[in-house]
Amino acid sequence: GAGVSQSPRYKVAKRGQDVALRCDPISGHVSLFWYQQALGQGPEFLTYFQNEAQLDKSGLPSDRFFAERPEGSVSTLKIQRTQQEDSAVYLCASSLRRDRAYEQYFGPGTRLTVT
Amino acid sequence: GNSVTQMEGPVTLSEEAFLTINCTYTATGYPSLFWYVQYPGEGLQLLLKATKADDKGSNKGFEATYRKETTSFHLEKGSVQVSDSAVYFCARDMRFGAGTRLTVKP
Repeated sequence: GAGVSQSPRYKVAKRGQDVALRCDPISGHVSLFWYQQALGQGPEFLTYFQNEAQLDKSGLPSDRFFAERPEGSVSTLKIQRTQQEDSAVYLCASSLRRDRAYEQYFGPGTRLTVT
Repeated sequence: GNSVTQMEGPVTLSEEAFLTINCTYTATGYPSLFWYVQYPGEGLQLLLKATKADDKGSNKGFEATYRKETTSFHLEKGSVQVSDSAVYFCARDMRFGAGTRLTVKP
């Protein structure tokens, strides 16, 4: 079946704008993860869902970042009042099992540029 | 702090050379360990994994052994190919290392 998809693939926002990034996980995958990847760095964990429950949001860098997965499938990462330091690739991953340490399948990412 | 420390790159090797990319992790709890690979222009994909001490993960000629005594999960391959050129990420559960870029020259 289809892999993890993310939209948009590229987003340019002016500083202060709000953005919404979408993730469609693999059908039937219980767990969903969001990461932020700066240029030349590894993915940094943001938040984790098990079905519709957000079980860990310890990686969200500020209260401007908000994620939801209301029906346990599609997820949206929202960033309010974007700042230049928010420029990065935002990766979504899903996993078949509840165990957060299970192997993850990654989407292609959304590259956000804040000008 | 970061739970995973991996060898800084870039690493450049000739085809058929032996590859080692070092990775160490913080020893809290009983983590699962992973190597992910990102080929040019593609997304991250799982290369191999190990879920408990002394497990060996292997795939596409790559191997890594979960060493609890040294908190390490080093990636090895006996003979690299040009097609192995990519960025390799070591991960402990949801925590990733900074990545190591490997370039293999013919």
